Parts: sequence; C-alpha cells; structure tokens
Amino acid sequence: NAGVMQNPRHLVRRRGQEARLRCSPMKGHSHVYWYRQLPEEGLKFMVYLQKENIIDESGMPKERFSAEFPKEGPSILRIQQVVRGDSAAYFCASSQNRARNSPLHFGNGTRLTVT
Amino acid sequence: AQTVTQSQPEMSVQEAETVTLSCTYDTSESDYYLFWYKQPPSRQMILVIRQEAYKQQNATENRFSVNFQKAAKSFSLKISDSQLGDAAMYFCAYRSDGEGQTGKLIFGQGTTLQVKP
Repeated sequence: NAGVMQNPRHLVRRRGQEARLRCSPMKGHSHVYWYRQLPEEGLKFMVYLQKENIIDESGMPKERFSAEFPKEGPSILRIQQVVRGDSAAYFCASSQNRARNSPLHFGNGTRLTVT
Repeated sequence: AQTVTQSQPEMSVQEAETVTLSCTYDTSESDYYLFWYKQPPSRQMILVIRQEAYKQQNATENRFSVNFQKAAKSFSLKISDSQLGDAAMYFCAYRSDGEGQTGKLIFGQGTTLQVKP
C-alpha cells in the first residue's frame, strides 16, 4: 500500500508565476490536510478537505492560495503570483476519516523555492 | 485556540545516553491526543509516539517514552540509549478529539536533536 505521494519533490518558480502542488492520499483515504513549514519552524495547518469539499480553510492566506480535492485525482494546492515569502516546504497528510483512531499519514513534502 | 510550545530549539546528547525533550500545550478541551513526530533531513514526518489524554499511563515505544502530566499540560519525550539515527528535528503536536473537530494537528516549533558519537 503506497504511502502519501506528493509531487513534485522540488519546485522552483519565479516571482509572479503559479505553483501547483499535488498530493495523492493513501489508498482508501478521503481526508486530506495541507501544512506549510517555513525554514526552522514547525508545520502550520493550512486547509482540510474531504472529497470535493473544503471543510476547514482557517489556515489559508486570504489571497492567492486555493486548494481542491476532486472526486477523481489528487488534491491540488495552488499558489498564484508567488512571492519570495511563499518559499517553504508544503506537506500533505491523509487519513481515512477524522476519528480518534484514524492517524494522519504524511507525504515527504514539496519544497517550493521562489526566485 | 490551542497552542503547543517547545522551549528548546536545540538539544544534544551523547550516543547511548538519555535525553528528554520538553513540550507544553494550552487547551481548554478535555479530549485530545498528543504526538511526537521526528523529521530527519529527508523531510519525512515520522510518528514516534502518541498519547491519548484520557489515559493516565504514559505511552512507550521501545526506546521512546513520554511523561504526560495532564494537569500541568506537559508532554515530554524521553529517548533512552540514544543512537546516531535519532538525530533529527522533533515536533510535539496536539489533536482535538471532541465532537465536530476536524482532526488537524497543531505543531510546536520543533527541537533539533544532535547525537554525538
């Protein structure tokens, strides 16, 4: 059973370009969480999605950031018009459900560098 | 809102010795989980150990154990017989378990552990 797959592993974008980060959850998992990790800091929650629904986006910046988790295909975190401050590692985690005995499984992250 | 604080940015330990990493948290909830995650240079997030708040007994996983003090809102990680492979960044995390909660994790700032041969 493959784990959570994130791609690309590394992404370089120039200021003003768009970044699209992909996350394929573990098989059978329909809950996806996105986190951002700035250098030398902990992971900060961004958004929680179930298939086709955004459940909690309290950690998402109000502008330029969006996320989706379609019925088919991976979850996508999209950053429009990237700025240098967006440079970070972005992690995706998935779970089977939100229950207490449903642990989060993390991907290896995508490191975004904005030049 | 819940917060998690790790007050030790860096720690070091001699190989085969024991080290304790500190974590405190703030919450008004009674039902929650606490976790320790390890992040080596590869960036992979590895679950080390977890503790259910309703359990009084401290969790243990081989060389890793916790000291969970619910009243003090403290959750420290003890690593015994430290190995070179234990060198990594360690994150303490909190997860609400109440009705209607989303299951998201709240992380501390992390502690970088260096293991000296």
